[in-house]
Amino acid sequence: EAQVTQNPRYLITVTGKKLTVTCSQNMNHEYMSWYRQDPGLGLRQIYYSMNVEVTDKGDVPEGYKVSRKEKRNFPLILESPSPNQTSLYFCASRPLRGTFTGELFFGEGSRLTVL
Amino acid sequence: GESVGLHLPTLSVQEGDNSIINCAYSNSASDYFIWYKQESGKGPQFIIDIRSNMDKRQGQRVTVLLNKTVKHLSLQIAATQPGDSAVYFCAERPYQGGKLIFGQGTELSVKP
Repeated sequence: EAQVTQNPRYLITVTGKKLTVTCSQNMNHEYMSWYRQDPGLGLRQIYYSMNVEVTDKGDVPEGYKVSRKEKRNFPLILESPSPNQTSLYFCASRPLRGTFTGELFFGEGSRLTVL
Repeated sequence: GESVGLHLPTLSVQEGDNSIINCAYSNSASDYFIWYKQESGKGPQFIIDIRSNMDKRQGQRVTVLLNKTVKHLSLQIAATQPGDSAVYFCAERPYQGGKLIFGQGTELSVKP
């Protein structure tokens, strides 16, 4: 089954404790992206990647890091989480080849709480 | 600045009625628009898209209308069902190759 898998789905952590949210897709997509979703603010892009070893900042990259060492994986790293990073996070992917459709394939989300 | 917004944050309809969800966009150069559905506890799901050179596109029970004169996008759902209850987002691509900009969403509630 074609899917984007995120882990963990739920996490409660404390300020300053490094954490990683993993994202993996099995559709051989070139493009992967991380979003955070907050009430009243909608989906905001954190980082994106057009291919292996190619990453770029989105609209709200502060406090986050990403890496793209393999095509299927795009982990989101919070080196020193703070309470303002409490949010619902989504990973998404889509192909870059072929006709553009804009259809992003989203994971189920990771709800992160930073105390 | 550029933004995609929704006129109504919530919409309640009776089962079997038609639903219309509206979206305003501010970038007249946007060339591509998409509607997503997000059910509770899940990630957004693609519903339908439309290019700026079209006025209307139909899918299964859904129709998207684009009015470039007033920069307005709408999603019509025919014979709304309880399974249609979700938050609906519109998104626009401000230029070719650009990233999608999402609106804040409208919550659709279907009453049995």
